[in-house]
Amino acid sequence: AQSVTQLGSHVSVSEGALVLLRCNYSSSVPPYLFWYVQYPNQGLQLLLKYTSAATLVKGINGFEAEFKKSETSFHLTKPSAHMSDAAEYFCAVSVRMDSSYKLIFGSGTRLLVRP
Amino acid sequence: DAGVIQSPRHEVTEMGQEVTLRCKPISGHDYLFWYRQTMMRGLELLIYFNNNVPIDDSGMPEDRFSAKMPNASFSTLKIQPSEPRDSAVYFCASSSRGLGITEAFFGQGTRLTVV
Repeated sequence: AQSVTQLGSHVSVSEGALVLLRCNYSSSVPPYLFWYVQYPNQGLQLLLKYTSAATLVKGINGFEAEFKKSETSFHLTKPSAHMSDAAEYFCAVSVRMDSSYKLIFGSGTRLLVRP
Repeated sequence: DAGVIQSPRHEVTEMGQEVTLRCKPISGHDYLFWYRQTMMRGLELLIYFNNNVPIDDSGMPEDRFSAKMPNASFSTLKIQPSEPRDSAVYFCASSSRGLGITEAFFGQGTRLTVV
């Protein structure tokens, strides 16, 4: 079955430091992978998506993620954290169901940014 | 487009009462998803529709939960009777399969409190 695992429910970094949020996927077929961000009291917003076009995917707000098939990973990074990046981040995989598909989310990682 | 619209944004109800959550997807999207978010269980997919037809309702917790999509522009999630453990944020999302995988667009959510 296809799924995603996010390592670390909380990650704390200093402002200006590297952000690394981990996501590993399980899939028997090439997956479609997504990173979403959720700010307090808001819905989820797409950061970036991998659809097999390129292994390094750039998203909004300076975030990027690299698809590594050998490691079954899709980690999210940002070179320099900003206070406004504090939010919860979700990795998701698209699961094919016959002729349709559905999105399955990981458990989320809350990013804290220290001044 | 105004995005996915959910109503109400907040709902407080007494145990045993019927609750109806509403969702208007983005025009032209043929997939609609209902998710529930809690601290304990994270984001759970409850049910999703493709072209107004329920495809997978395996995430619906109990028979007290039901969802309908009478047309392409409207869906409801009903809980009858409601219980305190149903308290959560319920998100509706829509997407378009089209010629490839696209992301799901989320509404702002409905925060349900059952007392």
